[in-house]
Amino acid sequence: GAGVSQSPSNKVTEKGKDVELRCDPISGHTALYWYRQSLGQGLEFLIYFQGNSAPDKSGLPSDRFSAERTGGSVSTLTIQRTQQEDSAVYLCASSFSGRFNEQFFGPGTRLTVL
Amino acid sequence: GENVEQHPSTLSVQEGDSAVIKCTYSDSASNYFPWYKQELGKRPQLIIDIRSNVGEKKDQRIAVTLNKTAKHFSLHITETQPEDSAVYFCATHAGGTSYGKLTFGQGTILTVHP
Repeated sequence: GAGVSQSPSNKVTEKGKDVELRCDPISGHTALYWYRQSLGQGLEFLIYFQGNSAPDKSGLPSDRFSAERTGGSVSTLTIQRTQQEDSAVYLCASSFSGRFNEQFFGPGTRLTVL
Repeated sequence: GENVEQHPSTLSVQEGDSAVIKCTYSDSASNYFPWYKQELGKRPQLIIDIRSNVGEKKDQRIAVTLNKTAKHFSLHITETQPEDSAVYFCATHAGGTSYGKLTFGQGTILTVHP
């Protein structure tokens, strides 16, 4: 079956603009995660959705970042008033519920803020 | 919060040699330790994982060892091949209510020379 997909694959925007990044998880996966990967760095946790539970937003770096997950499937990560330091690859992952299940990653969205 | 340190940041070996990457973590409640491989321009993929009730796990040429007392775990790759060249990330999965969150190390760039 299809893996995790993300769109767009690349996004170039001007400082101060808002951007929306989309993630389509693997069908049947109840858990969805967003991570950020800056050049040469590890993956930084942003937010986690599990079923109908309140999301774990503990990794969001500022209130300019928000995410939602509609119908327990597709998720959108929104960055308002983008800054140059927001430039990174934003990775989405999904998994079956539970703590020890493999997280399957999408190809990422490369965001460049000019 | 959890802190994961990964060493070395770069590792260069000759084909056929072994490679070892080490990670230390700070949260004694961490109980799941996956390793991801990320080839250039590709998404991270799980290669092996270990739970806290096990000290060692092996899958063909790769193995992971865990020392919970010392809070460190290691990835061992034997008989390395050029296709093993990639960035390797360790991660931890905390206990308690932090069900979804993976905390990643900074990554190790492994280069296997033919």
